Amino acid sequence: EDKVVQSPLSLVVHEGDTVTLNCSYEVTNFRSLLWYKQEKKAPTFLFMLTSSGIEKKSGRLSSILDKKELFSILNITATQTGDSAIYLCAVLLGAQKLVFGQGTRLTINP
Amino acid sequence: SQTIHQWPATLVQPVGSPLSLECTVEGTSNPNLYWYRQAAGRGLQLLFYSVGIGQISSEVPQNLSASRPQDRQFILSSKKLLLSDSGFYLCAFFRDRPYEQYFGPGTRLTVT
Repeated sequence: EDKVVQSPLSLVVHEGDTVTLNCSYEVTNFRSLLWYKQEKKAPTFLFMLTSSGIEKKSGRLSSILDKKELFSILNITATQTGDSAIYLCAVLLGAQKLVFGQGTRLTINP
Repeated sequence: SQTIHQWPATLVQPVGSPLSLECTVEGTSNPNLYWYRQAAGRGLQLLFYSVGIGQISSEVPQNLSASRPQDRQFILSSKKLLLSDSGFYLCAFFRDRPYEQYFGPGTRLTVT
């Protein structure tokens, strides 16, 4: 069975802290790994990672994939209250199916 | 541009009543379409996906069904809702640029 596991499930930090969110997976026919941010409504796309060791960056967010160890991390530096959200990791399989993890609920306190 | 619409945005239905949620996509043809459900504070669970008209794959056995009567229309239905059907329902498709699974605005369903 295809499985994606995120940790921690919940995280509370202070504004300005750096956080690292984890995503590990066990799937057949891996194509790529995606990160989404979900606030009140639909998830919004952050990154797609296909190759190991290549960091993707967007402002204070960055992510990297390790296809040998089957995991990815999402880093957020200098966190702001607007970063509070659920962060979802998903693995894209060969049939264009996405398998999602449970999500990490991140809360940034001022 | 490629867009996705879902309605209604919120719905409150009694147990045992029927359900019909609609999703339509614009700006693309023959998309793969997906229905997800998200329980409060949880990740997304894939319910159904469709690679073409009349082609539906079910991921989780339940009292829900899906249909794709037209290329860009995907419908989620139930004949009799259960309390456990409450949740946030999202429709999605793969958008070309950027290449990502793009979600509709979602329907928040509360079964009472």
